[in-house]
Amino acid sequence: EAQVTQNPRYLITVTGKKLTVTCSQNMNHEYMSWYRQDPGLGLRQIYYSMNVEVTDKGDVPEGYKVSRKEKRNFPLILESPSPNQTSLYFCASSFRTGTTGELFFGEGSRLTVL
Amino acid sequence: KQEVTQIPAALSVPEGENLVLNCSFTDSAIYNLQWFRQDPGKGLTSLLLIQSSQREQTSGRLNASLDKSSGRSTLYIAASQPGDSATYLCAVDQAGTALIFGKGTTLSVSS
Repeated sequence: EAQVTQNPRYLITVTGKKLTVTCSQNMNHEYMSWYRQDPGLGLRQIYYSMNVEVTDKGDVPEGYKVSRKEKRNFPLILESPSPNQTSLYFCASSFRTGTTGELFFGEGSRLTVL
Repeated sequence: KQEVTQIPAALSVPEGENLVLNCSFTDSAIYNLQWFRQDPGKGLTSLLLIQSSQREQTSGRLNASLDKSSGRSTLYIAASQPGDSATYLCAVDQAGTALIFGKGTTLSVSS
């Protein structure tokens, strides 16, 4: 089954404790991206990757890191989480580069930073 | 900067009604426009993608139109059902690197 898998789905952590949200897709997609969704602000892009070893900032990259060492994986790293990073996070992937094409989303990871 | 607006923010209709959701965007230089559905606590599911050169796309009871020059798109849902209850999001691809999302229309269809 074609899918984008995120882990963990739910996480409660404390300020400053490094964490990683994993994202894996099994569709051989070149494009991958991370979004966060907040009430009243909607979905905003954090980082994206057009292919292996190619990543770039989205609209709200502060406090986040990413890496793309393999085509299928695109982890989101919070080196020192803060309460303002409490949010619902989505990983997405798409086959086409040049334009994003039809975007496939993971189920989301709800993060709470105390 | 591209802005995407969806009106109304919420909509309640009885089962069987045909309905239209609206999406507007400020910059007409887009690659494509996509409509998504989001169920509570779930991810987004792509419903329809309209390329910039297209005027509309259809899938089952759904029909989406695109008027680039006026910066508008509509999602038409025919014969609505309770299972259609969800939040519908419109998004435009402007630079080929990201989708810019509207805040969504939350639809409730009562039986």
